[in-house]
Amino acid sequence: KNQVEQSPQSLIILEGKNCTLQCNYTVSPFSNLRWYKQDTGRGPVSLTIMTFSENTKSNGRYTATLDADTKQSSLHITASQLSDSASYICVVRRSNDYKLSFGAGTTVTVRA
Amino acid sequence: DSGVTQTPKHLITATGQRVTLRCSPRSGDLSVYWYQQSLDQGLQFLIQYYNGEERAKGNILERFSAQQFPDLHSELNLSSLELGDSALYFCASSVGPGTSGRIEETQYFGPGTRLLVL
Repeated sequence: KNQVEQSPQSLIILEGKNCTLQCNYTVSPFSNLRWYKQDTGRGPVSLTIMTFSENTKSNGRYTATLDADTKQSSLHITASQLSDSASYICVVRRSNDYKLSFGAGTTVTVRA
Repeated sequence: DSGVTQTPKHLITATGQRVTLRCSPRSGDLSVYWYQQSLDQGLQFLIQYYNGEERAKGNILERFSAQQFPDLHSELNLSSLELGDSALYFCASSVGPGTSGRIEETQYFGPGTRLLVL
């Protein structure tokens, strides 16, 4: 079973609307959690990195939250644009062996 | 452009062969990461080097090996290739070793090497 589960698998939203993506993990012991945006056929681009003590981190219209107690994170996209259409990947790092565990990603499609 | 370069961009080879993928990190970055992305598996972490030393190991097969050289570039060697090794191989680099949430842990990805094993 994957140690990082993302939901939904995919979603379609209208331009200008907001959306929230979820990431639940069982990775332990926890080091940090990252959100990436990946356009088809291109390398991922880092959006946020959060450690245990951080609850919220923003990068422009992207806001990530982390609840280390419940092992849940979310990525909120505000006022979506067509360029937000991409796959969003949640990655959790373990603190003992530094191994990275990837979620399967959420594919977001923004329509005009 | 992330500043991370990978060569070659495309590679077509036959089963049983051996190939070497090369990655040059951004200037000043000490960490190099290797990832594999296939259609049915998503993005998989293979291995990380930090300042020449292996830092973390993921789902890297025994047929695969990597190293980071004194000038900090890295090579990923894939041997006894199988059809299932066909994938996009990404390299990423960062300043730090990857354990904090600070800005120096941001990973910058290269454009990838697309490997096709026939």
